[in-house]
Amino acid sequence: AQSVSQHNHHVILSEAASLELGCNYSYGGTVNLFWYVQYPGQHLQLLLKYFSGDPLVKGIKGFEAEFIKSKFSFNLRKPSVQWSDTAEYFCAVNDGGGADGLTFGKGTHLIIQP
Amino acid sequence: GAGVSQSPRYKVAKRGQDVALRCDPISGHVSLFWYQQALGQGPEFLTYFQNEAQLDKSGLPSDRFFAERPEGSVSTLKIQRTQQEDSAVYLCASSPDRRYQETQYFGPGTRLLVL
Repeated sequence: AQSVSQHNHHVILSEAASLELGCNYSYGGTVNLFWYVQYPGQHLQLLLKYFSGDPLVKGIKGFEAEFIKSKFSFNLRKPSVQWSDTAEYFCAVNDGGGADGLTFGKGTHLIIQP
Repeated sequence: GAGVSQSPRYKVAKRGQDVALRCDPISGHVSLFWYQQALGQGPEFLTYFQNEAQLDKSGLPSDRFFAERPEGSVSTLKIQRTQQEDSAVYLCASSPDRRYQETQYFGPGTRLLVL
């Protein structure tokens, strides 16, 4: 069975700080990797995804993530955060072999202080 | 265009009552998923439909949970004899086709509180 670990449950940063949110998964086979974001009062929406190819993927709103297979990691980064990035961030994985349901981490609550 | 919609948005039930939660996926989307999100947790997979066929129900926590999608569009998640541990947000997601690489688009969820 797959599992996803997000090590930081709460992160508080000031505007313009750099961000890195950790995500590790436990599955030895082919995986598809996702980061979803949930802004206050809104539904989950996709930030970025990795299926294959370039391990550095770029998403919306200046976010990027790097897939490091040897470390089973898919960390989310942003060089300079804004107050509007305050949200809950979820890392998710599904089986690249065809199982469709997503396995999510517990989420990281990010607060950006102006 | 219209996204995934869910109704009701909030539901309060007394323990032992049956509830039905509705999901309207994005028009034309083949795949439909249900997830359960407990407070402070990430969503957990419940079940998956491809058109009207329920292909995976491995995440349903007990036989009190039942989902259907009879015409391959709208889906209903039914919980019989609700228990307090069923209190959670129930999320529905849809994706354009059955390829596992497709992005899942989520609805706003139904927040269920069982008293």
